[in-house]
Amino acid sequence: QKEVEQDPGPLSVPEGAIVSLNCTYSNSAFQYFMWYRQYSRKGPELLMYTYSSGNKEDGRFTAQVDKSSKYISLFIRDSQPSDSATYLCAMTVGGYSTLTFGKGTMLLVSP
Amino acid sequence: ETGVTQSPTHLIKTRGQQVTLRCSSQSGHNTVSWYQQALGQGPQFIFQYYREEENGRGNFPPRFSGLQFPNYSSELNVNALELDDSALYLCASSEGQGGPTNEKLFFGSGTQLSVL
Repeated sequence: QKEVEQDPGPLSVPEGAIVSLNCTYSNSAFQYFMWYRQYSRKGPELLMYTYSSGNKEDGRFTAQVDKSSKYISLFIRDSQPSDSATYLCAMTVGGYSTLTFGKGTMLLVSP
Repeated sequence: ETGVTQSPTHLIKTRGQQVTLRCSSQSGHNTVSWYQQALGQGPQFIFQYYREEENGRGNFPPRFSGLQFPNYSSELNVNALELDDSALYLCASSEGQGGPTNEKLFFGSGTQLSVL
């Protein structure tokens, strides 16, 4: 079993839809959780960063962490064609440790 | 823009050759990490440098090596290239070490390496 599981998609939605992206993980030591967006032929861009369980909102994006279920989500409201990209979840135990990434979910938002 | 620049953007090498990839970190960021991203996969950690010293390494063989310089630049060297080394190589910088800000990585656009 991989440490971080993420459905690769693709996930296709119409413009304006609410998108839900998810990751599960097995290492209960993970404390910091991130979502990165990666456009084709570009490096990942940090979207959301959370530490504790619960919700964090930033504009159209909401990150949700449930440590008891080892499950994290990213919600995108009013999705736009410009949101079409691969979304990577990442997590770490913190301190000196490095990030463990999921495989990424490809999202396609059609006009 | 993250302020992290990588060169070259694309590179084609043949099996057995050696390659050097370069990165210029964001000013003030004293930690640099290198990741390998194979097609359809998430980035995999190669190693991390803090103040010119390697302080973490992933599951990569010794033919992957690196350097960090005082001017926020760094290098990734790969010897004896293999076909499986074909991937996007990403450099990421962060503000510090040991604290929460270390987890906020800022990535460059990467170097696409093809090994034939």
